[in-house]
Amino acid sequence: NAGVTQTPKFRILKIGQSMTLQCTQDMNHNYMYWYRQDPGMGLKLIYYSVGAGITDKGEVPNGYNVSRSTTEDFPLRLELAAPSQTSVYFCATKGRPDRPTYSMNTEAFFGQGTRLTVV
Amino acid sequence: DQQVKQNSPSLSVQEGRISILNCDYTNSMFDYFLWYKKYPAEGPTFLISISSIKDKNEDGRFTVFLNKSAKHLSLHIVPSQPGDSAVYFCAASANSGGSNYKLTFGKGTLLTVNP
Repeated sequence: NAGVTQTPKFRILKIGQSMTLQCTQDMNHNYMYWYRQDPGMGLKLIYYSVGAGITDKGEVPNGYNVSRSTTEDFPLRLELAAPSQTSVYFCATKGRPDRPTYSMNTEAFFGQGTRLTVV
Repeated sequence: DQQVKQNSPSLSVQEGRISILNCDYTNSMFDYFLWYKKYPAEGPTFLISISSIKDKNEDGRFTVFLNKSAKHLSLHIVPSQPGDSAVYFCAASANSGGSNYKLTFGKGTLLTVNP
């Protein structure tokens, strides 16, 4: 059971290049999130998804795009990389417990992160 | 506007003593609070949580206290161990009103436990 898998672990991009950060989960969780963490800062929400085919913006969506065609995958796309996008990116998932009165008071599970440098 | 605040960037304690990490929040809609632990080059890992209907939750050496009137929570680690040295993030979510259960994080506190 792999949990949340992010690839690549590290990447260096030149300004203006594009790339896709991959996130795959095998926990059958409905909710998926992309966060970025800058030095000395907390995690900022970029985009999130409440299920396949549904995505929405978080706090810092500019310069990014996402898609959610399956429950398992939630890729994050950078179209025109800028130095301000140098950061560590974390994907996270959250489940919907299978019980009559469900609650989303559950923890989110994080991937290992992707360290991106834009030069 | 930071809705979850961890005002101490760092904390240093001796092994065996108590570590107390603090967190304040401003959004009165938050009703679920979590603490995450993060080692360098790893993703955050869940440590302990508390619902707003409780004021205390305990799990082994870790206890979280919630004071709703003060909008304040704290994480107590007793006894502290060198392996507890990490960055600790406080997080909160509002599970109602279309919030979609997003987690809002503080900036983190670096805990160093000295042998």
